[in-house]
Amino acid sequence: EADIYQTPRYLVIGTGKKITLECSQTMGHDKMYWYQQDPGMELHLIHYSYGVNSTEKGDLSSESTVSRIRTEHFPLTLESARPSHTSQYLCATRGGAGLGSGELFFGEGSRLTVL
Amino acid sequence: SQKIEQNSEALNIQEGKTATLTCNYTNYSPAYLQWYRQDPGRGPVFLLLIRENEKEKRKERLKVTFDTTLKQSLFHITASQPADSATYLCALVPNGGFKTIFGAGTRLFVKA
Repeated sequence: EADIYQTPRYLVIGTGKKITLECSQTMGHDKMYWYQQDPGMELHLIHYSYGVNSTEKGDLSSESTVSRIRTEHFPLTLESARPSHTSQYLCATRGGAGLGSGELFFGEGSRLTVL
Repeated sequence: SQKIEQNSEALNIQEGKTATLTCNYTNYSPAYLQWYRQDPGRGPVFLLLIRENEKEKRKERLKVTFDTTLKQSLFHITASQPADSATYLCALVPNGGFKTIFGAGTRLFVKA
C-alpha cells in the first residue's frame, strides 16, 4: 500500500501550457523532495522542503516552482512547459529527526512529455 | 568535482550466482551510503543503509560493504534470482548534509 502518491502518472501536453504535478504523503514526514530523472541517468534534486512554508532549490537548476502549505502536499508547477521539460519527476519523503538521517520513500513518479 | 560513479554497463549473471555491484565516489565525505532498487518506470525503493563507521551490513541475501579509504561501496546479491533483475542505485548523504545524492545506477539482468 503506497504512502506517497503522485498524480498524474503520465502527462502529454503542448508547449506553453501550465502544469502542476501533485505529490501527497500520509506518513507525516516533514522533509520532502522533488527529483528529476532522464532515462538511464541519475536522479537530480530540483527542490526540497524542511517542512510547512519551507522550500529550497536543489542542485539542478529548474524552471519549476514548488509550495508547501500543508505537511501532506508538495506540488510542483511549471508555468509554461517546454520540450526541454520532458522527463520523469519523482517525489520523495524522509522521516527521522536528524538533518540527513533516514531512507527516502519515493512515489511512482510522473512522466511528463511536452510536445 | 564531486562524483558518484557506478558501472554504466549492464551486469548479466546466471541465476544462483552472486552479483556484485560497485559504487565509487570522489570529493564527498558521506555520513552514510544507501542502496536502492529501481524497476522500469517506477520510483526507487530503499534496500540498505551503511554508516561511515560500519564496514559491512547484511539483510537476507543482500550485503553491503563500505570502505571510506578507497571511497567505495560494494553491493552483493547472493543466490541471485531473475526477480532481482532491476537497476540498483547507490546514494550518499554528505556529512552535515540534508540532500541525498544519487549515482546513475547499474542495470542487473539475472538469467534463468
